[in-house]
Amino acid sequence: EAGVAQSPRYKIIEKRQSVAFWCNPISGHATLYWYQQILGQGPKLLIQFQNNGVVDDSQLPKDRFSAERLKGVDSTLKIQPAKLEDSAVYLCASSSDRSSYNEQFFGPGTRLTVL
Amino acid sequence: AQKITQTQPGMFVQEKEAVTLDCTYDTSDQSYGLFWYKQPSSGEMIFLIYQGSYDEQNATEGRYSLNFQKARKSANLVISASQLGDSAMYFCAMRGPNTDKLIFGTGTRLQVFP
Repeated sequence: EAGVAQSPRYKIIEKRQSVAFWCNPISGHATLYWYQQILGQGPKLLIQFQNNGVVDDSQLPKDRFSAERLKGVDSTLKIQPAKLEDSAVYLCASSSDRSSYNEQFFGPGTRLTVL
Repeated sequence: AQKITQTQPGMFVQEKEAVTLDCTYDTSDQSYGLFWYKQPSSGEMIFLIYQGSYDEQNATEGRYSLNFQKARKSANLVISASQLGDSAMYFCAMRGPNTDKLIFGTGTRLQVFP
């Protein structure tokens, strides 16, 4: 089966610009996650969707970050306006409660550089 | 609050040797799950192994095993017969009860040399 797809793989923008990332989860996976991984750190959960509803967005900086998951499949994460500290890899993951451990499957990530 | 600590920023191991990557955790929950992920330079996180807090046996998956010591709150990953392709970042993560959210450690960079 196809894995989690993300695009773009790389993005360079200037501060105060806007940027959007796209994620297509594994087919049939109801739960979708967006993580932020700053260089030298482990991933940190930004937002979790169950189908197209938000389960956890407690660590999402809502003044500049937004995310949606239309029709419970694809998702987009937007940053507007970007700050220097937003430079990171943005990882999308999906999971299914039918898997053995409800483990999360990750995409290749989008590396964002804010200048 | 839950916390994962990985104290080894980097580890070296010779090909075909075994290596242990350390992970300690902190939680007040009785039910939790522990995961190890591998992150190659390509960026994606690859699931390796899972240990539930109530599992009495240490988890094993091929060359990976998890040395689970509940009283010490440690969940070390053991890779046997290291291969050059094992060179990557390795992350330990925890999931609490009634949530899918993963809390990750800072990772250990493993380098396997011939």
